Amino acid sequence: GENVEQHPSTLSVQEGDSAVIKCTYSDSASNYFPWYKQELGKRPQLIIDIRSNVGEKKDQRIAVTLNKTAKHFSLHITETQPEDSAVYFCAASRMWGGSTLGRLYFGRGTQLTVWP
Amino acid sequence: SQTIHQWPATLVQPVGSPLSLECTVEGTSNPNLYWYRQAAGRGLQLLFYSVGIGQISSEVPQNLSASRPQDRQFILSSKKLLLSDSGFYLCAADAAGNTEAFFGQGTRLTVV
Repeated sequence: GENVEQHPSTLSVQEGDSAVIKCTYSDSASNYFPWYKQELGKRPQLIIDIRSNVGEKKDQRIAVTLNKTAKHFSLHITETQPEDSAVYFCAASRMWGGSTLGRLYFGRGTQLTVWP
Repeated sequence: SQTIHQWPATLVQPVGSPLSLECTVEGTSNPNLYWYRQAAGRGLQLLFYSVGIGQISSEVPQNLSASRPQDRQFILSSKKLLLSDSGFYLCAADAAGNTEAFFGQGTRLTVV
């Protein structure tokens, strides 16, 4: 199956700084790359995703970039705030039928801490 | 909207005892269903994947099994628990035409 590697495992930044989390994947057929945020004691929730036909996607302070050739994608958070502190997971999947999720493989997660 | 019910929230079981964790989905039909295990430093490991009733794919060799007796019901089982089965188990679901996977609240399993 797919192998998703995620770095770094922990990341500490000062409030207002930017944070970048990087992931690589092994299956060139993967075409859907979501990012999930898991706050302490809560379930993971989708924050942003990107499909393989797009190189970059932005939603307010969060952006994701994808390099299909190199098989890596990154999450960028700008103007970080203490409430951004959480574990972030990248994932990869082969979406089929244009809109249906296949097996969803996750990275090991990044513990982001934003200091006020 | 889609809701996933997962229970129990916490469970302490002795080694060698059986296990049954249940997950039910509301608000969608014919979902893809997933069981994940989350261990510290290991992220979310995909254990089982199901695209329909009775259709289960196992991702990793293990002491666990899964069943899907109904469209929106997914059960994780073991006949004899091992210490290494301890962890946080999450059920997830998505539906045709929707790429977002929704997670249940998880079950913290401790095998003693």
